[in-house]
Amino acid sequence: DVKVTQSSRYLVKRTGEKVFLECVQDMDHENMFWYRQDPGLGLRLIYFSYDVKMKEKGDIPEGYSVSREKKERFSLILESASTNQTSMYLCASSWDSTTTDTQYFGPGTRLTVL
Amino acid sequence: AQKVTQAQTEISVVEKEDVTLDCVYETRDTTYYLFWYKQPPSGELVFLIRRNSFDEQNEISGRYSWNFQKSTSSFNFTITASQVVDSAVYFCALSEFVGANNLFFGTGTRLTVIP
Repeated sequence: DVKVTQSSRYLVKRTGEKVFLECVQDMDHENMFWYRQDPGLGLRLIYFSYDVKMKEKGDIPEGYSVSREKKERFSLILESASTNQTSMYLCASSWDSTTTDTQYFGPGTRLTVL
Repeated sequence: AQKVTQAQTEISVVEKEDVTLDCVYETRDTTYYLFWYKQPPSGELVFLIRRNSFDEQNEISGRYSWNFQKSTSSFNFTITASQVVDSAVYFCALSEFVGANNLFFGTGTRLTVIP
């Protein structure tokens, strides 16, 4: 079974703090993704990575950055957290970057920025 | 542009009733994939099904069935004899054929099954 884990289920931070969300997958998947989920908006893609040290902007990258130093780990960074970044963050991974492959999701991190 | 519409925001049914969740999509691509995911209260999205645009055959998996109709750009999901454990938010998603980055989600339908 594919296993995608996220470092925290719940996180509370203050405005202006630097926040790291970590995601690890154990299936040697090439692609990894970060989404945020907000009521009434569904899931929106923030960033994705198709290889180590490679990254691509998604639909809503503003205010976020990412890091992928190892194939199994993909980090989402909020350089200076703001209240409008309070949301559920979901990480996903998929096998192959050459075709559309099923994405498998982690349990999510519910981030609250005060 | 790609778009997925799930017009039903919330649905409530009594246990053992059948329920259909609607999904309508828009794409200019002739080749694409459609997905359904389930998000139970625990939060994790669980993959249910992946269907490519060339395969319009309906699929059944236990109490779950999917009706794909290209003529109406719909990919509807039916749960037969619903159970309380089916209570969740269900997402329909669309992706282009090439490139793993562009998965477009609908806004989800919250299903509540009342015992």
